[in-house]
Formats: sequence, C-alpha cells, structure tokens
Amino acid sequence: EVQLVESGGGLVQPGGSLRLSCAVSGLTFSNYWMSWVRQAPGKGLEWVANIKQDGSEKYYVDSVKGRFSISRDNAKNFLYLQMNSLRAEDTAVYYCAKTPWWGQGTLVTVSS
Amino acid sequence: DIVMTQSPDSLAVSLGERATINCKSSQSVLSSSNNKNYLAWYQKKPGQPPKLLIYWASTRESGVPDRFSGSGSGTDFTLTISSLQAEDVAVYYCQQYYSTLPAFGQGTKVEIK
Repeated sequence: EVQLVESGGGLVQPGGSLRLSCAVSGLTFSNYWMSWVRQAPGKGLEWVANIKQDGSEKYYVDSVKGRFSISRDNAKNFLYLQMNSLRAEDTAVYYCAKTPWWGQGTLVTVSS
Repeated sequence: DIVMTQSPDSLAVSLGERATINCKSSQSVLSSSNNKNYLAWYQKKPGQPPKLLIYWASTRESGVPDRFSGSGSGTDFTLTISSLQAEDVAVYYCQQYYSTLPAFGQGTKVEIK
C-alpha cells in the first residue's frame, strides 16, 4: 500500500520558517517526480513545487520563488519543503503528492 | 504558464440528473509525440485529500464509478457526472500536467438541487 505522510506543519509568525517533511512508502520513491500542493482556507488547490527523480530539476509557483525550497532524500524516501519568509497568505493545508497518491496534508498557519 | 479556467464556478443538480463541468486551458495540452492530452480531473471533499478521477483527459482511474467520464482535446475539456449521487457533492478541479509548472483550475462546486 502506498502511503505519503506529511509532518512539520504548525503555527509560525510572519517572516518565520518551517520545514515540511513527507515520508513515502509502498512505491519506488526514486523513480518519480514529486510535488507539494496547497489549499488555503476557502480557496482552491494550488500546485506549489515539484522535483525531478534525482533532484536535478525543481519548479515553483511564482508566489513562492526565492522563499521555498523543495528537496528529497532518495535513500530515506523523504520529500521536503523548506519554507522561509513566511507570509499570512502561505496559510494552507500542504499536501505531498505523486498522482494518484496524496498524503492527508499538514496545516501551516502563519499568524502573529 | 498555462492557465486553466473552469465553468461554471458552481452548479446545483437534482439527484440522478447530469452534471457537466467545463475546463479550458490557455494553450493546448495535447502532446504531438504521443497524442495524449495531459489533463486530469480531481474530486475534493472537505477534510480529505484530492481524489484522482480521470487522467489523459478521458481515462478513468481504477475504482472510480463509471458515471464519471471525461472528454475533450487540445484546450477544451469536459467532466460529466451522468447521474448525480449524494456522495458526489464536492468541488471538482481540472489540472494540466503538460508543463513543468502544473496548474489547477479554480474549481467547480457541485451541490444537490
């Protein structure tokens, strides 16, 4: 059974940082592009970032470029999202995804 | 960047009736190399992760009821629920995965009339 389990969410002040992790099991992690997708309260789904199998290519939505960094550890089957300079508008549930598989999400709240 | 636009933003349909959602991409998502449309449809319910319904514009994901179908090519796509059930109340999203910057439509909320 494929499982994606996110962790690392929480409450952070504007300008702060958080690192999200996603533990992946049940599939050959190193074979797949992986993504982070978010959904802000009352809003739609927004793709945030994705990363190639070997980490050599990374892409980001414009609103997080220069602030967020996606990475992976293929030896440990982990996906990460380092989030810096967080803003109120980054408040969302963050999902780790490799279609058709998704995690349950982790909530990030940016507020003072 | 490819922009996805769905219509309508919401619709209310009677139980057992047809629901139709449209999705338009700002540029073609049809690949000339494999003749496939890089277009997926997702169902999103509160408190749950998105559920993949359709990929390659018209291929139903395993386990998805056959009342869900997808059609279209190039820039114009449609998701049809042939006979709406109570459990289909949700927000539906199209997504292109043609480019390295995937994008979702804004979502269409489906309710029972």
